[in-house]
Amino acid sequence: RKEVEQDPGPFNVPEGATVAFNCTYSNSASQSFFWYRQDCRKEPKLLMSVYSSGNEDGRFTAQLNRASQYISLLIRDSKLSDSATYLCAVNIADKLIFGTGTRLQVFP
Amino acid sequence: DAGVIQSPRHEVTEMGQEVTLRCKPISGHNSLFWYRQTMMRGLELLIYFNNNVPIDDSGMPEDRFSAKMPNASFSTLKIQPSEPRDSAVYFCASSDQRWQYFGPGTRLTVT
Repeated sequence: RKEVEQDPGPFNVPEGATVAFNCTYSNSASQSFFWYRQDCRKEPKLLMSVYSSGNEDGRFTAQLNRASQYISLLIRDSKLSDSATYLCAVNIADKLIFGTGTRLQVFP
Repeated sequence: DAGVIQSPRHEVTEMGQEVTLRCKPISGHNSLFWYRQTMMRGLELLIYFNNNVPIDDSGMPEDRFSAKMPNASFSTLKIQPSEPRDSAVYFCASSDQRWQYFGPGTRLTVT
């Protein structure tokens, strides 16, 4: 079993839709969690950290469920510019382990 | 403020040649990471350094790969000899123990 798993997608959604991604992790000792965004042929860029109590940044909401060992990312009111691959990352012993990413395509 | 700098951005080489990838981390960051990304395997951590010291190289695929960090502002990843299966995008990232930031990557093609 992979340490961090994501549904590769693609998720094809219309503008204005709400879309959610989940990411599961296997190591219960994981210390911190992140979502990164990666555009085609670009580097991953930090989107947001994921806090135990859940956190929101504009249209983006991240949540952590330690009991079930998953994190989630919710995007409201999707924009065309949200089209990208979303990578979750889990910090284990000072190393970030990445999922393979979920591809999102927002269409007009 | 300059981010992580990598060079070259693109490298095309023939099988058997030596390849050296370079990275300059963000000033003040004390951790540096080398990753490889392919369609098949995603983003894989190869090695990371803390305060210029290699901490975990368990992700280095084989002895053909080596990495050094002679000082806080420079690191290299070397492949010798290179093989076609090494073709990938190689990212360097640096961290201030809170957030990790990636460089633009080096796209390596070995023919």
